[in-house]
Amino acid sequence: GAVVSQHPSRVICKSGTSVKIECRSLDFQATTMFWYRQFPKQSLMLMATSNEGSKATYEQGVEKDKFLINHASLTLSTLTVTSAHPEDSSFYICSARGLAASTDTQYFGPGTRLTVL
Amino acid sequence: AQRVTQPEKLLSVFKGAPVELKCNYSYSGSPELFWYVQYSRQRLQLLLRHISRESIKGFTADLNKGETSFHLKKPFAQEEDSAMYYCALSGHGGSRLTFGEGTQLTVNP
Repeated sequence: GAVVSQHPSRVICKSGTSVKIECRSLDFQATTMFWYRQFPKQSLMLMATSNEGSKATYEQGVEKDKFLINHASLTLSTLTVTSAHPEDSSFYICSARGLAASTDTQYFGPGTRLTVL
Repeated sequence: AQRVTQPEKLLSVFKGAPVELKCNYSYSGSPELFWYVQYSRQRLQLLLRHISRESIKGFTADLNKGETSFHLKKPFAQEEDSAMYYCALSGHGGSRLTFGEGTQLTVNP
């Protein structure tokens, strides 16, 4: 149990376009979802925390207008990278946390590799 | 502020040898500590958390509040233990995780 999926697994886009990444909790309700960014050979950096039905909380230095997060349901959160630039190329990982004791930890998605040309 | 430090980026041992991956943290309250593992081409997954005090795949970790450490240990490393290991901390309120830089463990035959 406690599986998190992400779609797409990899995406290539042109500079200036927007890209949407989906994160789904498949078998549990995720009251909180997290979005991370990981550069090659580096650790995960938390970008934002989103609670279902409310606005996301962004970490310092993360532009909320550039990285739009929506958490409209208990099983789905989306991250939209708006007006993408090559420096946005990275590995984006989501995690989900539920309320039940069995899901009272963060479960991670497989990640999405974004390449901006 | 909460911070997690993993001093070794790379660690290489031989099969059957003991292994210890170091993790130190700074946090003003009572933290919850975790070890996550990422095998090649796989997602990050929880290995163990200090509150459960359990051993997973032969790994154990003890929270030492005096030394602010949460080192991960295994008495006899196996080749399949080769992976990236991340120590993480969650503070008061539960959810937000702060990760260390990670240690790439290689277990040689």
